[in-house]
Amino acid sequence: DIQMTQSPSSLSASVGDRITITCRASQSISSYLNWYQQKPGKAPKLLIYAASSLQSGVPSRFSGSASGTDFTLTISSVQPEDFATYYCQQIYSTPRTFGQGTKVEIK
Amino acid sequence: EVQLVQSGAEVKKPGESLKISCKGSGYRFTSYWIGWVRQMPGKGLEWMGIIYPGDSDTRYSPSFQGQVTISADKSISTAYLQWSSLKASDTAVYYCAREAAGGSFDYWGQGTLVTVSS
Repeated sequence: DIQMTQSPSSLSASVGDRITITCRASQSISSYLNWYQQKPGKAPKLLIYAASSLQSGVPSRFSGSASGTDFTLTISSVQPEDFATYYCQQIYSTPRTFGQGTKVEIK
Repeated sequence: EVQLVQSGAEVKKPGESLKISCKGSGYRFTSYWIGWVRQMPGKGLEWMGIIYPGDSDTRYSPSFQGQVTISADKSISTAYLQWSSLKASDTAVYYCAREAAGGSFDYWGQGTLVTVSS
């Protein structure tokens, strides 16, 4: 199985901050990487697919990038509704493994 | 409008069997893979497996192979996740999700909470 390692596991931020979450794959996955947002008690929501493509309806403050086996989710200016847990997922091969999640909390 | 509607919460005893469902609407059910994702209490997302309702081709995570069965009835646009003998460790929320052409889960069900307790 391909292992996905996210960092940090949690972070505190203030409204308006720029934050970055990293996901590292245990092997090359090209750009087969998605990012999801999950709020408590809710189903996950797709934010970014193919490493850097913004899902329809997702605010442009969210962006994704890739460099080798390292992938980054950036929120350019965190808004109150962005406090949630974020997961990466590789879709290069099955099982399509998720990272362990990064919880973004209010400072 | 694409929708995935899951069956309601279940409370079961260890050793019992269970089948939960996920009904798709608003799109061609037979043309998209449907996946199942487990979320244990306070934990992250775990990919369990996927099924292509058009021909019932199914892929499992090694972690779940032999522990659950994924199936689909295309005549009623419904996918299923079933257990033959539940354990307390199966207590979790289970989500179904549609896999888009690019491989991402673009639509999700609301989740089904399964509680296994004696």
